[in-house]
Amino acid sequence: QQQVKQSPQSLIVQKGGISIINCAYENTAFDYFPWYQQFPGKGPALLIAIRPDVSEKKEGRFTISFNKSAKQFSLHIMDSQPGDSATYFCAAETSGSRLTFGEGTQLTVNP
Amino acid sequence: EPEVTQTPSHQVTQMGQEVILRCVPISNHLYFYWYRQILGQKVEFLVSFYNNEISEKSEIFDDQFSVERPDGSNFTLKIRSTKLEDSAMYFCASSRDRGGNQPQHFGDGTRLSIL
Repeated sequence: QQQVKQSPQSLIVQKGGISIINCAYENTAFDYFPWYQQFPGKGPALLIAIRPDVSEKKEGRFTISFNKSAKQFSLHIMDSQPGDSATYFCAAETSGSRLTFGEGTQLTVNP
Repeated sequence: EPEVTQTPSHQVTQMGQEVILRCVPISNHLYFYWYRQILGQKVEFLVSFYNNEISEKSEIFDDQFSVERPDGSNFTLKIRSTKLEDSAMYFCASSRDRGGNQPQHFGDGTRLSIL
């Protein structure tokens, strides 16, 4: 019940395209949903986050869509760029407790 | 921008030896965490630490592991009697507060290789 399931495992997108990564959870006590971006040899870096009282949050080219009834949330990267090539992790947190991470998505944006 | 710093970046240790991984959290942060990432797998929570005591630990964090804040700046993870399966990236994180208002910031990790 603590798991966060993430798909796809890998994603290849052309420059300028839209990258979409999906996550699903079971634990309704989760109340904070961040996305982290990780480059090789680096730690996860917070990209964008959302709370379940909001259905969508946009920051620049990055948008989180949140569906509370379906217990799903997704990351959309508009106008994807080669510099966006990285591993993306969704995560979920319960009231300031541990972060539970998804399995990660390796995104490759071809020039 | 303030960063979480971790040392060493790579640690190679013989099986059965003790290892200490070090972290300097962001200076005004009060909550500290250790996570690990086995190669090719997801990031897993180990332990959280606040006010000089463990606030939460996972099932992975057994008696082999311990954490300490020996002074006002460092936060350490000690692994006793290391095993081959302890080989992983270990990430330290810190936050100013708990909950989504104050996100966790991660260091770049220590790659631990057990031979």
